[in-house]
Amino acid sequence: GQNIDQPTEMTATEGAIVQINCTYQTSGFNGLFWYQQHAGEAPTFLSYNVLDGLEEKGRFSSFLSRSKGYSYLLLKELQMKDSASYLCAVNSNDYKLSFGAGTTVTVRA
Amino acid sequence: GAVVSQHPSRVICKSGTSVKIECRSLDFQATTMFWYRQFPKQSLMLMATSNEGSKATYEQGVEKDKFLINHASLTLSTLTVTSAHPEDSSFYICSAREHPRTSTGYEQYFGPGTRLTVT
Repeated sequence: GQNIDQPTEMTATEGAIVQINCTYQTSGFNGLFWYQQHAGEAPTFLSYNVLDGLEEKGRFSSFLSRSKGYSYLLLKELQMKDSASYLCAVNSNDYKLSFGAGTTVTVRA
Repeated sequence: GAVVSQHPSRVICKSGTSVKIECRSLDFQATTMFWYRQFPKQSLMLMATSNEGSKATYEQGVEKDKFLINHASLTLSTLTVTSAHPEDSSFYICSAREHPRTSTGYEQYFGPGTRLTVT
């Protein structure tokens, strides 16, 4: 089976940095995705990691360690609009996505 | 590019009736589409994988006779919830995978979701 864990909630101040961790144990691995989901809306793609290391894209960065089954999403210079749920998803051998439960990030002024 | 639409966005139906949800890839061909359901404050749970021109593959615990999936063309998949009950009330989201493989490794593009309420 697939097991993907991430914290339920995180709160941070506008302008700060927040790191969302994700650990996974899955049957096969073909990459890890991070998605952002606002309430009542569909997930939107943020990042994709298939090799170890850090991928930086503007204010968002994502890191992967395959040997540790670990990833994190780093959000810098937080803005109010970043308040959302962040989903970690692993692409398994059959290219299906298995999602974590999501981390709700609340940005306070 | 890579836009996926869903229709309707919201639907309310009476218990015992059937509801059809459409998922369309607007600007690309999707050989594979996925159907998920999401309960409040929970993650997306994969219901089935739909391949164009063949039968859908259902995840364990999902009743194929209750959730009918048809993928008749490279741009359209439909999910029909038959004999709906209040416990079927949920947020249903489809996604489509572009063919051929994209640079982001089989990325899935998500539709905006359909909120189903069964009374």
